[in-house]
Amino acid sequence: SQTIHQWPATLVQPVGSPLSLECTVEGTSNPNLYWYRQAAGRGLQLLFYSVGIGQISSEVPQNLSASRPQDRQFILSSKKLLLSDSGFYLCAWRGASYEQYFGPGTRLTVT
Amino acid sequence: TQLLEQSPQFLSIQEGENLTVYCNSSSVFSSLQWYRQEPGEGPVLLVTVVTGGEVKKLKRLTFQFGDARKDSSLHITAAQPGDTGLYLCAGDFDSNAGNMLTFGGGTRLMVKP
Repeated sequence: SQTIHQWPATLVQPVGSPLSLECTVEGTSNPNLYWYRQAAGRGLQLLFYSVGIGQISSEVPQNLSASRPQDRQFILSSKKLLLSDSGFYLCAWRGASYEQYFGPGTRLTVT
Repeated sequence: TQLLEQSPQFLSIQEGENLTVYCNSSSVFSSLQWYRQEPGEGPVLLVTVVTGGEVKKLKRLTFQFGDARKDSSLHITAAQPGDTGLYLCAGDFDSNAGNMLTFGGGTRLMVKP
């Protein structure tokens, strides 16, 4: 069966510091992968998606970037965090019927 | 920009009551999903609907897809405290070729014992 992992689970970082969040998927090959950000109690904002290694589509111009160095690895990065980058970050992979399966999320607080 | 509107945003009811959550768009969906999310966790898929007019049932939850595939509803019968959470609808629009889902703003449901 497929599983998706995200780490770290929580992160507190000062403004201006770098960021690296990692997502890995097991049990499937060449999945579509997604990064979302969620404000408290609200819907999901799509940040990036990837249909294959090295292929990244950005949906929202901002302070973040994404990379896919391996088939089942998706990384979200920033060189300098802003206060507005705080939020709940979710990684997901796409199933056969276009549904998405989400990881446990990373709670990022920028101070 | 394709928008997906969910209503209501918040709902607080007593255990045993019924409720309906709505998800609407001006664009046609290829498919639509409903998810439920607990605080601090990722959303969990409840159901996928793909055919206009389709009705699916999951215990006390009934999901309906509009005939024109532009809207959907989630009806919960005899709500229980365990139904508390954030309900999200998400649409795969025809033009996206399955690469992206557009999420509604969510309905936060609280069921009081």
